[in-house]
Amino acid sequence: RKEVEQDPGPFNVPEGATVAFNCTYSNSASQSFFWYRQDCRKEPKLLMSVYSSGNEDGRFTAQLNRASQYISLLIRDSKLSDSATYLCVVNSGGSQGNLIFGKGTKLSVKP
Amino acid sequence: EPEVTQTPSHQVTQMGQEVILRCVPISNHLYFYWYRQILGQKVEFLVSFYNNEISEKSEIFDDQFSVERPDGSNFTLKIRSTKLEDSAMYFCASSGQGYGSPLHFGNGTRLTVT
Repeated sequence: RKEVEQDPGPFNVPEGATVAFNCTYSNSASQSFFWYRQDCRKEPKLLMSVYSSGNEDGRFTAQLNRASQYISLLIRDSKLSDSATYLCVVNSGGSQGNLIFGKGTKLSVKP
Repeated sequence: EPEVTQTPSHQVTQMGQEVILRCVPISNHLYFYWYRQILGQKVEFLVSFYNNEISEKSEIFDDQFSVERPDGSNFTLKIRSTKLEDSAMYFCASSGQGYGSPLHFGNGTRLTVT
């Protein structure tokens, strides 16, 4: 069974903190990796794709370790608006767009 | 920024009734999808659609479900005879060319089956 596992949290952090989320996936055939964020009762929104060499987008840094089947997301200088659930997402190895979602890690940034 | 739009935002129906959920994908996208999320659970893949046919479907997508692209802009999900367990958020998504292109999700239709 193809799974994506995440720590459910919640992570409660003060503004300005650095927070890291981890994710493991079971399907070694997965080739595409993403972090999405989801606000309560809203649609998932793409935060960033994750590349083998690691990539950064402003305050967000994603890392991928294919050998360990492990993905991480680091958020620096967290803002109140970062409060959301962060979804680790990998493709199933099947057709385009057949994605497997983790259940998400909830982040709450407090003033 | 172009977006995927879905209607209605909330649909209430009685068990056994048929529902049609509607989506307008991003105009230059070629791949279309339906996902669902039962309250408190993971987002789950239902079906992918490309070149006017289903590319792949999950075990959730049984004979009660069907998809259609009736014209150049709309993409629909039909549930023929709804069950209580079909109650969920249904998200439409689309993506551009290229394996690994990220999906862009619509704002969802909340389906409540009573």
